[in-house]
Amino acid sequence: GAVVSQHPSRVICKSGTSVKIECRSLDFQATTMFWYRQFPKQSLMLMATSNEGSKATYEQGVEKDKFLINHASLTLSTLTVTSAHPEDSSFYICSARDPFSGGGDYNEQFFGPGTRLTVL
Amino acid sequence: LAKTTQPISMDSYEGQEVNITCSHNNIATNDYITWYQQFPSQGPRFIIQGYKTKVTNEVASLFIPADRKSSTLSLPRVSLSDTAVYYCLVGPFQQGNTPLVFGKGTRLSVIA
Repeated sequence: GAVVSQHPSRVICKSGTSVKIECRSLDFQATTMFWYRQFPKQSLMLMATSNEGSKATYEQGVEKDKFLINHASLTLSTLTVTSAHPEDSSFYICSARDPFSGGGDYNEQFFGPGTRLTVL
Repeated sequence: LAKTTQPISMDSYEGQEVNITCSHNNIATNDYITWYQQFPSQGPRFIIQGYKTKVTNEVASLFIPADRKSSTLSLPRVSLSDTAVYYCLVGPFQQGNTPLVFGKGTRLSVIA
């Protein structure tokens, strides 16, 4: 199947600093990527939809000025956590749909391995 | 998107068949049923998707009754490595870039 990578896999930062997480589709082009956040023992929570060449769409309750999303190319979306605080510590996961996966018969989304953010 | 209900957790011994049932009473005509598997500290992995009747692949089978108000993921002869969280998702995934909305999932523990 298609591969989605994330970088870094793990990051520790001080409170008040900004952290950038990259999401790349390695062998396909993704006009749309999604960003999720997952706290321990909880399910994935959709944060935003990242659209190539246009503004991201944020879910209700997600601060767009805090979680900056840039989808500058068909294979790269970035999530920047600005002025991070300990409550932003979480597992951040991106996903992308390969429009040609499964012969185009179904919408199979491929997930990245996730990025563990710890804010001290 | 249709709301889904599945057991919070399940235990099974190695070698047994595991069936995880998901209820989705409000499923719409154009909704598909998709199951994902997630290991700790990893992104979810697609397992199987179906619309009606039965779908089988090399990993699992998906049984969907005629009314489509529920579905059952069947994992044959589980091993310790199948210990994970399994998510049932329902939505119009056939077309477009619809985001996946995850419920609580079922935490499967396989015991030796």
